[in-house]
Amino acid sequence: QVQLVESGGGVVQPGRSLRLSCAASGFNFSDFGMHWVRQAPGKGLEWVAVVSYDGTHKNYGDSVKGRFFTSRDNSKNTAYLQMNSLRTEDTAVYFCAKDTGAGPFDPWGQGTLVTVSS
Amino acid sequence: DIQMTQSPSSLSASVGDSVTITCRASQGVYNYLAWYQQKRGRVPKLLIYAASTLQSGVPSRFSGSRSGTDFTLTISSLQPEDVATYYCQKYNSAPFTFGGGTKVEIK
Repeated sequence: QVQLVESGGGVVQPGRSLRLSCAASGFNFSDFGMHWVRQAPGKGLEWVAVVSYDGTHKNYGDSVKGRFFTSRDNSKNTAYLQMNSLRTEDTAVYFCAKDTGAGPFDPWGQGTLVTVSS
Repeated sequence: DIQMTQSPSSLSASVGDSVTITCRASQGVYNYLAWYQQKRGRVPKLLIYAASTLQSGVPSRFSGSRSGTDFTLTISSLQPEDVATYYCQKYNSAPFTFGGGTKVEIK
């Protein structure tokens, strides 16, 4: 079945960088766009970024534009989120999610917690 | 950017009640509207897409509709397992904005 597994979260100081990975299995990874969504503790969902099926098109939410960068390696069935210049307000669980091809996100990974704190 | 406004932010209803959640888009998103369910401590789950199409495996007591830029999610007969936070989301184009969420509880 389709499975998405995020990794790379942890505790990091403000201003530092972190790279998240999303390992996919159970579907033809190179056919689908991949999204990143985050959820701050006790808060709602915030869309972060998307990378197209072939990696040529990317888009970002305003709060991370210029600091976060998404990519993918279709040979490894993995999507990435490079997070630079981290701020305390970036503290959240980060989910990766598969674009259905029709637009909505399904399924989602279990998430990885990123804590930005000095 | 298009804003998605959900109401109410929370509600409490009895088992068997009909429950309606509303999501209003600040501009037209056509039918590119999805609803997700997130139970406490769990991953969001796609319930409805294209405003009214039920995702496979979702109980038929869930339904969605659209009137212009207003969208509704209805649970026809609330069950204990429906306790969750529900989010709408536009997906016609980036940014793929979510509504603020509606927390549904049992009275």
